[in-house]
Amino acid sequence: DVVLTQTPPTLSATIGQSVSISCRSSQSLLHSNGNTYLHWLLQRPGQSPQLLIYLVSRLESGVPNRFSGSGSGTDFTLKISGVEAEDLGVYYCVQGTHAPYTFGAGTKLELK
Amino acid sequence: EVQLVESGGGLVQPGRSLKLSCAASGFTFSNYYMAWVRQAPKKGLEWVATISTSGSRTYYPDSVKGRFTISRDNAKSSLYLQMNSLKSEDTATYYCARLSTEARALFDYWGQGVMVTVSS
Repeated sequence: DVVLTQTPPTLSATIGQSVSISCRSSQSLLHSNGNTYLHWLLQRPGQSPQLLIYLVSRLESGVPNRFSGSGSGTDFTLKISGVEAEDLGVYYCVQGTHAPYTFGAGTKLELK
Repeated sequence: EVQLVESGGGLVQPGRSLKLSCAASGFTFSNYYMAWVRQAPKKGLEWVATISTSGSRTYYPDSVKGRFTISRDNAKSSLYLQMNSLKSEDTATYYCARLSTEARALFDYWGQGVMVTVSS
């Protein structure tokens, strides 16, 4: 199975600070059809996960544009340009290029 | 508004069975693949099962294959997860999730989750 390694496990930030989360895959996530099925989710405390970014860099409708995604192959990054209080929670990357679908272990974003 | 509402969770003894349900509304249920994803207490997310639009194709990870069965009733806009031979490691919150048509593993809507506790 594909292993997604997220770093750091925990991220402490102040409001307004820009932060990045890394997601590294044990295999290339470039599918033979040319797509890279790597997405990002946020799970706020006590809530269900919600979709933020899909296909590496596409912003889900309604998600603020302070969120951005980048990367290719095995290395991917989620960036938040100016953390706001509502951004706190656990961020997960998920891949769908290889069966079975797998998630990263999560990165917890907390206030410093 | 898309809504996914799970039910059927609870406390069950090891080796017993439990069936979860998910009632969907706010979209044309029969047009979407659906999935179950679980989260053990204080742990990360794990994909559990996927079903095609018609229900003719199902997919599972090795951890539940042969024990869990995903099914759907498009006339009722409902998704199900039959869980047999339950183990303590199946203890988790189970989420019903819609799979977007845009990409693989694109869980674009999630239910609120239902807790399953496997313990004697």
